[in-house]
Amino acid sequence: LAKTTQPISMDSYEGQEVNITCSHNNIATNDYITWYQQFPSQGPRFIIQGYKTKVTNEVASLFIPADRKSSTLSLPRVSLSDTAVYYCLVGDVTGAGSYQLTFGKGTKLSVIP
Amino acid sequence: EPEVTQTPSHQVTQMGQEVILRCVPISNHLYFYWYRQILGQKVEFLVSFYNNEISEKSEIFDDQFSVERPDGSNFTLKIRSTKLEDSAMYFCASRDGTSGRMQYFGPGTRLTVL
Repeated sequence: LAKTTQPISMDSYEGQEVNITCSHNNIATNDYITWYQQFPSQGPRFIIQGYKTKVTNEVASLFIPADRKSSTLSLPRVSLSDTAVYYCLVGDVTGAGSYQLTFGKGTKLSVIP
Repeated sequence: EPEVTQTPSHQVTQMGQEVILRCVPISNHLYFYWYRQILGQKVEFLVSFYNNEISEKSEIFDDQFSVERPDGSNFTLKIRSTKLEDSAMYFCASRDGTSGRMQYFGPGTRLTVL
């Protein structure tokens, strides 16, 4: 699995767009980038996954540059309920395999009123 | 939306006792996992289960741990003789046969070993 680096913490005011960048210099050709969110005392929740360029869903957008050595999770107009830890994971996703998830420390996002 | 459920939400036990944590994965999912998170630390993989057998396990998953899918719906984690350091949140997760890293987590069981 590719090693990832992301900021330990970020603060943002309500209503702002938040961008969390993850570095993954050793990403392999078959690797996808997956982001999870974890609220206190809850299980992680899948947010978004992408391979290249841009992916958008109802929760977030994921921007991946052409070299794929980094990715940026973008949360539009955050609210207090977006306060959580956000994890970036990199690994292959298809074919037979166990695909256990390896979580780092993540980025603790605090949204301030 | 289907979800993974876990029982109990909180389990308190004495050191040396056996505990069984229960999970009901999403019904059409094929792969099942247990993770744990010690307070303030990272989420750690314990074991994965597919086709009625363990497919991967971590170093944490020693002989004190076992998993079972006793019927078509439940997935259990048994800790044979609990230690103080087993105190943690235990999360069950499941996924279908497509994207390997899109896993659905349950709400967790908080295990407290006294």
